[in-house]
Amino acid sequence: GAGVSQSPSNKVTEKGKDVELRCDPISGHTALYWYRQSLGQGLEFLIYFQGNSAPDKSGLPSDRFSAERTGGSVSTLTIQRTQQEDSAVYLCASSSRVSGGQGEHGYTFGSGTRLTVV
Amino acid sequence: KQEVTQIPAALSVPEGENLVLNCSFTDSAIYNLQWFRQDPGKGLTSLLLIQSSQREQTSGRLNASLDKSSGRSTLYIAASQPGDSATYLCAISPSGYALNFGKGTSLLVTP
Repeated sequence: GAGVSQSPSNKVTEKGKDVELRCDPISGHTALYWYRQSLGQGLEFLIYFQGNSAPDKSGLPSDRFSAERTGGSVSTLTIQRTQQEDSAVYLCASSSRVSGGQGEHGYTFGSGTRLTVV
Repeated sequence: KQEVTQIPAALSVPEGENLVLNCSFTDSAIYNLQWFRQDPGKGLTSLLLIQSSQREQTSGRLNASLDKSSGRSTLYIAASQPGDSATYLCAISPSGYALNFGKGTSLLVTP
């Protein structure tokens, strides 16, 4: 597609429920990233996929968080047994190469999913 | 982990002024540095990307500089406009993919 698409745009869930967040990157972009933006905090790196290589999961905050990328395209971030501290905006980005992307602009970010755990 | 600091946290200027946003980082071993813009309720828009071998990049009224030895970058905005109002984020890449972000500078340009 023309940009990075994320769904849903907003999600309210009860504490303890599982949630799935979806990211559809730009067609042809081999690299895909998930970040989290909590209120008053900077963006926090969660996970990185590059082609068929094993993902870099070093940023996932706990084992309740997992992500997969099927067919080198769409990615799903799953949070199990959600907690209130998981409330944040989850941003997905894609790029065309490891060095940061094509042209001069590097990453392309989606609009994010705002997750609220009540 | 690289620490990225942005100063000031917030800035309000009248339309037409030139302004400078500052970003500092703790380790000079970076792959690249990017400046992003974030509008409320929206994702990030990449403004400028500076590779580690470069000193500056320009796009329209925006100019970003990079001084790795001192761990600093500046984003210069010329002739500011109300439409420039947004949060500006600096991010460094230590490895070529994952980014470490600062907390941003919230800019308000008043008519």
